[in-house]
Amino acid sequence: GAGVSQSPSNKVTEKGKDVELRCDPISGHTALYWYRQSLGQGLEFLIYFQGNSAPDKSGLPSDRFSAERTGGSVSTLTIQRTQQEDSAVYLCASSLGYPEDEQFFGPGTRLTVL
Amino acid sequence: AQSVTQLDSQVPVFEEAPVELRCNYSSSVSVYLFWYVQYPNQGLQLLLKYLSGSTLVKGINGFEAEFNKSQTSFHLRKPSVHISDTAEYFCAVRTAGSNTGKLIFGQGTTLQVKP
Repeated sequence: GAGVSQSPSNKVTEKGKDVELRCDPISGHTALYWYRQSLGQGLEFLIYFQGNSAPDKSGLPSDRFSAERTGGSVSTLTIQRTQQEDSAVYLCASSLGYPEDEQFFGPGTRLTVL
Repeated sequence: AQSVTQLDSQVPVFEEAPVELRCNYSSSVSVYLFWYVQYPNQGLQLLLKYLSGSTLVKGINGFEAEFNKSQTSFHLRKPSVHISDTAEYFCAVRTAGSNTGKLIFGQGTTLQVKP
């Protein structure tokens, strides 16, 4: 079946603009994760959704970052007033929902803030 | 807090030679351990995982890893590498038995297989 998909694959924006990144998880996966991969910081956890539970937002770096998951499926990560340090690859992953389950990763969205 | 240290940022090796990629972790609670691989311009793919039981774990593409609780290590090994194994490898931990799903990753090790 289809894997995790993310859009857009590349996004170039100007400093101060808002951006939205989209993730479509694997059908039937109840858990969804966002991570960020950057040269300086490596792979960092951002946020985790599991079913109808309150999301774990402990990895969001500032209040400019937010995410939502509609209908238990598609998720959108929003970055407001982008800064140059937000430039990174944003990865989405999904899993069946148990902590030991494999997380399947999407190809990522490469964000460049000029 | 948990952390993961991958001791080598780059590992060059000749084709058909053995390789070991080292990973140490720090945690005050029990963890699950994972190795992921990222081929150029692709997403992360799970190689293998340790949840419980036998400390020697076998994964895809001929890789294996051994969990050593006393040394808090989870080193990845392959007896004979191929050019196609050239990629970046990430070790990761996750708190065992909790509801949190987040992975804590190491900084990655670039494996460069030379002909």
